[in-house]
Amino acid sequence: EVQLVESGGGLVHPGGSLRLSCAASGFTFGGYAMNWVRQAPGKGLEWISYISSSDGTMYHADSVKGRFTISRDNANNLLFLQMDSLRDEDTALYYCATQGFDFWGQGTLVTVSS
Amino acid sequence: EIVLTQSPATLSLSPGERATLSCRASQSVSSYLAWYQQKPGQAPRLLIHDASNRATGTPARFSGSGSGTDFTLTISSLEPEDFAIYYCQQRSNWPLTFGPGTKVDIK
Repeated sequence: EVQLVESGGGLVHPGGSLRLSCAASGFTFGGYAMNWVRQAPGKGLEWISYISSSDGTMYHADSVKGRFTISRDNANNLLFLQMDSLRDEDTALYYCATQGFDFWGQGTLVTVSS
Repeated sequence: EIVLTQSPATLSLSPGERATLSCRASQSVSSYLAWYQQKPGQAPRLLIHDASNRATGTPARFSGSGSGTDFTLTISSLEPEDFAIYYCQQRSNWPLTFGPGTKVDIK
């Protein structure tokens, strides 16, 4: 059974940093690209980051470019999102999702507030 | 960036009725369009990929059609569990984008 479990969310002040993790199991993690998608409270879905399975290709949404960095550890089946220079508008539930968005975690909540 | 517009914003229907949801792209996305269902407190669920292909486990009452800029998700006969928010997503160009969603609620 495919499982994605996000962690690392919490309350952070504007300008602060957080590192989100997504632990994957039940599939060959290293063979699949991965994504991060976020959802602000009561709002729609926003794709924010993509990383390829092994060659390091990454894409980020303009809203997070230069502040967020996606990475992965294929040996330990982990996906990461390093979030720096956080803003109020980054407050959201952050989901990791597989390459085709066919599997999603349950999300980890990031709250940016002073 | 490709902008997706969904209509209507809200669709009020009764169980057993047919639901027709629209998604329009600001430029062609070929057939690289997906549909998702999201219920309160849950992660989104992939229903349709590549415009018309049902994802594993998607019931046959869900169907997708369209190409280019105009797409439709049809639910042939609404079941009680189908009342939810539906999002379209284009996978043609970076950045990937989602539509604002259509809420299907009980009339």
